[in-house]
Amino acid sequence: AQSVTQLDSQVPVFEEAPVELRCNYSSSVSVYLFWYVQYPNQGLQLLLKYLSGSTLVKGINGFEAEFNKSQTSFHLRKPSVHISDTAEYFCASTDSWGKLQFGAGTQVVVTP
Amino acid sequence: DVKVTQSSRYLVKRTGEKVFLECVQDMDHENMFWYRQDPGLGLRLIYFSYDVKMKEKGDIPEGYSVSREKKERFSLILESASTNQTSMYLCASRHRDTPAGGYTFGSGTRLTVV
Repeated sequence: AQSVTQLDSQVPVFEEAPVELRCNYSSSVSVYLFWYVQYPNQGLQLLLKYLSGSTLVKGINGFEAEFNKSQTSFHLRKPSVHISDTAEYFCASTDSWGKLQFGAGTQVVVTP
Repeated sequence: DVKVTQSSRYLVKRTGEKVFLECVQDMDHENMFWYRQDPGLGLRLIYFSYDVKMKEKGDIPEGYSVSREKKERFSLILESASTNQTSMYLCASRHRDTPAGGYTFGSGTRLTVV
């Protein structure tokens, strides 16, 4: 069985400051890992994904994530956030059948 | 631009009503999924379908059923709506040859059961 845990339910951050969203996964098999973003009143949009290879993954809008197998983590980072990054962020993994399992989500609130 | 369209953005239904949530995709995707989204719980899989006329239970299928008579359409059915089914419902689809992600999500249907 697999599961995804997002360690922070809400992260307040000032504009132009860095942000890190924490995600831990548990699985006894190889996993694929994802970060999705949901802007207010919209569906989910893929930010980035880790399938294999380089552990540092770069995504859209300046986000990146690092896959750490020893710590079973896949934390999301952005060096300088904008007001428009205010959204909910979901970490997810897939099983061998390709079904997405989501974490509980982290609400990022960017203030001037 | 590829699309997953959910027929209603907001829906208000009464307790005990039979409710249909419709999802249509125009990408010829084999796999389709229904999730519900609740604060603090993330997205939870209700049902999915690998192809036409196929369906599999997800993590929380109780109180729901689905129909996949055509490849492009996946319907979620609440046989007798209850207040604890008030939630945001998201539909997604993907091509069967892209198991590692490749999901496209609809914008969601916010259902309120009164």
